[in-house]
Formats: sequence, structure tokens, C-alpha cells
Amino acid sequence: DVKVTQSSRYLVKRTGEKVFLECVQDMDHENMFWYRQDPGLGLRLIYFSYDVKMKEKGDIPEGYSVSREKKERFSLILESASTNQTSMYLCASSPIGGRFNEQYFGPGTRLTVT
Amino acid sequence: AQSVAQPEDQVNVAEGNPLTVKCTYSVSGNPYLFWYVQYPNRGLQFLLKYITGDNLVKGSYGFEAEFNKSQTSFHLKKPSALVSDSALYFCAVRPLNQAGTALIFGKGTTLSVSS
Repeated sequence: DVKVTQSSRYLVKRTGEKVFLECVQDMDHENMFWYRQDPGLGLRLIYFSYDVKMKEKGDIPEGYSVSREKKERFSLILESASTNQTSMYLCASSPIGGRFNEQYFGPGTRLTVT
Repeated sequence: AQSVAQPEDQVNVAEGNPLTVKCTYSVSGNPYLFWYVQYPNRGLQFLLKYITGDNLVKGSYGFEAEFNKSQTSFHLKKPSALVSDSALYFCAVRPLNQAGTALIFGKGTTLSVSS
């Protein structure tokens, strides 16, 4: 089974802090994604990556950056956390040629910024 | 703009009754279509997908979905609901002519099955 793990289930940070959310997948997938999930808004794509050191902006990249130094790991960085970044963050992965392949999701990190 | 609509925020059904969770899409060209389910405090789990072929797609946990090109819909169905089906359901689409593999998600529908 594909396994996508996220470093924390719950995280509480203060405004202005730099926050790192880590995601690791064990199926050698080329594609990795970061979404945020908010009630009534569904999932919105923040960033995605096709390969190591490659990244593409999604629909809401402002205030975020990403890093992919190894194939299995995709990190989401909040350079200076703000209260409007309080949300559930979901990481996903899919194999290459993944236009018709489903994405596999991690359990999510619920981030609260105070 | 390309989008996915789930017109119902919540669907309530009694256990044993059939259920339908609606999804319509607006994309250019023919899309790939997906349904995911999210149980409380969990990530999303894949249920089923439509790529091509038979318009009725069968998936996990007894769910199925019907692709209707003329109505641009992909409704999720189950003949007999279980209390354990209570969860948040997301429809997603990937347009064929869009570069990359990212999905466009609907806002989600909460399914509540009462005993």
C-alpha cells in the first residue's frame, strides 16, 4: 500500500514564526502536491512538484514556499505564519504519467496560528 | 474558468436507503473524474474514477458513479447506505488538455446516514 506520512497531525504556531510542514511518501512517486482544506472551500492547491528540485505554483501560493531536495520528501514552508493560514494541510503523491492516476493523500496537519 | 460544483453541502439518508451525492463540472474538453471520501480527522481516500469507456463506474465500499457527458455530471451513488458511510465526499476533475496532473476539487458534501 502507498503510504504518505506528514510530520505532525496538530501544530500550533505564533504569528510571524517560520513553519515547516514535512511530507514523505514511500512509493517512489514523481508527483507530489500540497493542498489546504477549509470548510466550505474544499481543497485548494498550493504548490506541486513533478520531480526533485522542480516546483510549480498552484492556485494559492502566496505566503508559502516549497522544497523538494529528495524524491520522497516534499516540504511546505510558511515563511512568516499569519492567522489566515490556520487550516488543514494535506499532502498527496501520484506516479508519473499520472493524468489518469489517482492521488494518494496523507492524514493531514491541522495548523493553528495564534 | 474550470470548476467542479457539488450543489449540496449536506445529504441526509436513512440506513438501507439509496444515496446520491451530486457533482457537475465545467471544463474544456473531456475530463478525468474522481471521487474521494474523508472520514473525520483522516486524509482523503480514493473511491473511484472515470477515464473512458462504460459510463457507470464501480468503486470501493459498494459505491458507483455515473458519468453523463451531456449533463456534465458525475454523481456518486450507492444502492443501500450504511451508517459507516457518513463522511465528507469530494468530487474532483482533471481536464485532459491541462498540463500537469493537479486536480480541481469541489467544495465537498457531508453525507449523514441515520440508523
